[in-house]
Amino acid sequence: QKEVEQNSGPLSVPEGAIASLNCTYSDRVSQSFFWYRQYSGKSPELIMSIYSNGDKEDGRFTAQLNKASQYVSLLIRDSQPSDSATYLCASKGYGQNFVFGPGTRLSVLP
Amino acid sequence: EAQVTQNPRYLITVTGKKLTVTCSQNMNHEYMSWYRQDPGLGLRQIYYSMNVEVTDKGDVPEGYKVSRKEKRNFPLILESPSPNQTSLYFCASSLSGRVRVPNNEQFFGPGTRLTVL
Repeated sequence: QKEVEQNSGPLSVPEGAIASLNCTYSDRVSQSFFWYRQYSGKSPELIMSIYSNGDKEDGRFTAQLNKASQYVSLLIRDSQPSDSATYLCASKGYGQNFVFGPGTRLSVLP
Repeated sequence: EAQVTQNPRYLITVTGKKLTVTCSQNMNHEYMSWYRQDPGLGLRQIYYSMNVEVTDKGDVPEGYKVSRKEKRNFPLILESPSPNQTSLYFCASSLSGRVRVPNNEQFFGPGTRLTVL
């Protein structure tokens, strides 16, 4: 069974700090990785996708992928209260199904 | 506006009464998928479709059926709903089901909250 694991949280950070969200995956052939943000009662929305080892930056967000360690992370710089949400990590291999982690709840305190 | 729509948004039904949740996308996406989301378990894939007339089981397909007769529509059918199918359901679509395709994010519908009594 392919699995994606995340710390459920809640992870609390003060406004302006860096939030670090982590994810590990079990399927070594996973090729694509995604971070989604989900506000309570809403549908997930994509923040970042990453396919290659290393870092990928988009505004305040940086995704990091280490395939040798089967580890994906998301850094949120200058965290804002509006970043408070559940963050879902997902992987996709050569098979056609996506596998999601249980999500990490982030709380940014004003 | 590019979007994925689902209907109904909320549904309360009784055990054994067949129901269909519709899903439609207007982005000409090849790949469509159904998920259920339960507290502590995250999003679990029920069924997915790579293209018209091509469907396959996800991680939790028991008790569900799907069909893909047209590219834009991907209905989810519960032939005999049971209380353990009470959940929040999301339909999603993406350009392609292949890996490493640029801009291949999944777009999610607004969700359908189903309660089976």
